[in-house]
This record gives sequence, structure tokens and C-alpha cells, in this order.
Amino acid sequence: KAGVTQTPRYLIKTRGQQVTLSCSPISGHRSVSWYQQTPGQGLQFLFEYFSETQRNKGNFPGRFSGRQFSNSRSEMNVSTLELGDSALYLCASSFRTDFTDTQYFGPGTRLTVL
Amino acid sequence: AQSVTQLDSQVPVFEEAPVELRCNYSSSVSVYLFWYVQYPNQGLQLLLKYLSGSTLVKGINGFEAEFNKSQTSFHLRKPSVHISDTAEYFCAVSDPGFKTIFGAGTRLFVKA
Repeated sequence: KAGVTQTPRYLIKTRGQQVTLSCSPISGHRSVSWYQQTPGQGLQFLFEYFSETQRNKGNFPGRFSGRQFSNSRSEMNVSTLELGDSALYLCASSFRTDFTDTQYFGPGTRLTVL
Repeated sequence: AQSVTQLDSQVPVFEEAPVELRCNYSSSVSVYLFWYVQYPNQGLQLLLKYLSGSTLVKGINGFEAEFNKSQTSFHLRKPSVHISDTAEYFCAVSDPGFKTIFGAGTRLFVKA
């Protein structure tokens, strides 16, 4: 079974631009979560989507948004990029059929904002 | 609110020596506990998880962890480490609301 895939793996943007990151979950998984990882802040939860609905949201500004499609693939969008948005963005998928939340992570997209 | 504290930011250890990576959590509800490993330029990989039952949990690559409810700890151990275990390790806690909180990470550095 294929793992979680994220595209692109690397991205360089300039301040003020916007960016869209994509995540394809493991087949059968309906929950997709997004995290931002930086050396200073560690792993921070952005949001979670389940069956095309946002179920949980972290403490990030409205510039960070996402969506999930009917095939469970998810996209994350960041508008008006700032230097501080440079980070590794990780996507994780899970079955989310019971109270456990074992997540399987993709390799991440490394975003550099210049 | 939940929180996770990984008590050591870096742990250097010699090859074939035992290692313990410490994790404490706080939560007002029942939680599920996880340890993940992250190798350079990769995503996180699940090492092991505690959901219920036996407090000693065995994971992949020879790692194990013990859930201690009274001390709210979930320390990760390995009796003999290898160079290939050099990586960053994250402790995480999840509640029935499906929010997962990660610790700041512990960088394990195995020296020859």
C-alpha cells in the first residue's frame, strides 16, 4: 500500500506570494491533518479535514487555509507569504474510525520564503 | 489543555549503550500516547503507541516505552543503540477529540 505523498517536495517563493501544497493520503484514510515544523516552534498543528469538512483547527492566521476533496486528497494554501512561513509542512493521514489517532506522515514539503 | 514535555533536547550516547528519552504529559482526560522518529529530510514514522492495556509497549527497531499514569510519563527506551538510531524523536499525546499535541523533540546522537 502506498504511503502518504506530498507535492512538491521543495518550494521557493517570495514574500507576498501565495502557495498551494498537496497531500494524497493512504488509500482508505479519510482524515488528513497538516502540521508546520520549524526549528523554533517545533511541530504545530494547522488543521484537520475529515470527509471534506474541517474538524479541528490550530492557532494560525486566516492566511492559512485548506480543503479536502471527495477522494480524500487535501490541499493547503498560504496567502501573502511572510518570511516566517518558511518551514517544513507535514501532512498526516489516518482512518479516524475510532478514538485512536494513529497518524501516518508524508515526507513533507519544504517551503522557503525569500 | 494538554501538553507534552520532552525533558531533553539532545541526548548523546555511545553505540551499543542503553538510552532513555523522557516524556511527560499533562491532560485532564484519558489520552493516547505515541512516539515518532524523524530521520533527516523525512517525515515522521510511528515507533510505538499506547492506547490501553499493558503499560509496557514494544515498538519497531527494538524500542519500547512504559506508560506511568501516576507520574504522567511515557519514557522511551532501547537497551542497545546503533548509529542508525541517530534521529529526532517526538513524543505525542492525542485525546478522544482527535487533537494531537507533539513535544518539542529530542535529538538522539549515537557516537561510534
